[in-house]
Amino acid sequence: LAKTTQPISMDSYEGQEVNITCSHNNIATNDYITWYQQFPSQGPRFIIQGYKTKVTNEVASLFIPADRKSSTLSLPRVSLSDTAVYYCLVGDIEDNYGQNFVFGPGTRLSVLP
Amino acid sequence: DTEVTQTPKHLVMGMTNKKSLKCEQHMGHRAMYWYKQKAKKPPELMFVYSYEKLSINESVPSRFSPECPNSSLLNLHLHALQPEDSALYLCASSQDIRVASGGEQYFGPGTRLTVT
Repeated sequence: LAKTTQPISMDSYEGQEVNITCSHNNIATNDYITWYQQFPSQGPRFIIQGYKTKVTNEVASLFIPADRKSSTLSLPRVSLSDTAVYYCLVGDIEDNYGQNFVFGPGTRLSVLP
Repeated sequence: DTEVTQTPKHLVMGMTNKKSLKCEQHMGHRAMYWYKQKAKKPPELMFVYSYEKLSINESVPSRFSPECPNSSLLNLHLHALQPEDSALYLCASSQDIRVASGGEQYFGPGTRLTVT
């Protein structure tokens, strides 16, 4: 089971870069790493997904070291609207009939003015 | 259209009631999911449908009964629920069940369920 751990909370100021790390020591060979963002009273929203090395899109970057036992979500120049909970998700639905498809505990990011 | 819609937004039901939650997507996605989320906790996977067939049932009690009438619709039928079943119920869809083949999930806003 690719159990994940994340910091419970983080604080940042507007304009700063924020890095949130997720640990997944038991990641399986076929597992992808996906990050979601969730605002209060809304469903999670996909941010980024990767398998190894570095992935970048218009909103974030995802860094995955060679051993894949951790991953880091990087949010450049955060704004107040980035205040949310960020979930790391490691696994594949088809692996072990979904039992390994588990969201991490989430990191509550607070962006301060 | 990249939206997943869920109805109702809020639902209050007694323990003897029967109700249904509805979810709809028009993105042509072939995988649909039900999640349960308690306050300040991550979403927990309940059911997965792939090509309208139940693919995964995460040992969910029988008082929750999913149904996938067609590729765009997903229902969750509720009967004889307990107060501890009160939660936010989220529906999601993805192009494919496999993460590597388009497993990015699009979530609806959820139904806030309260069981009295």
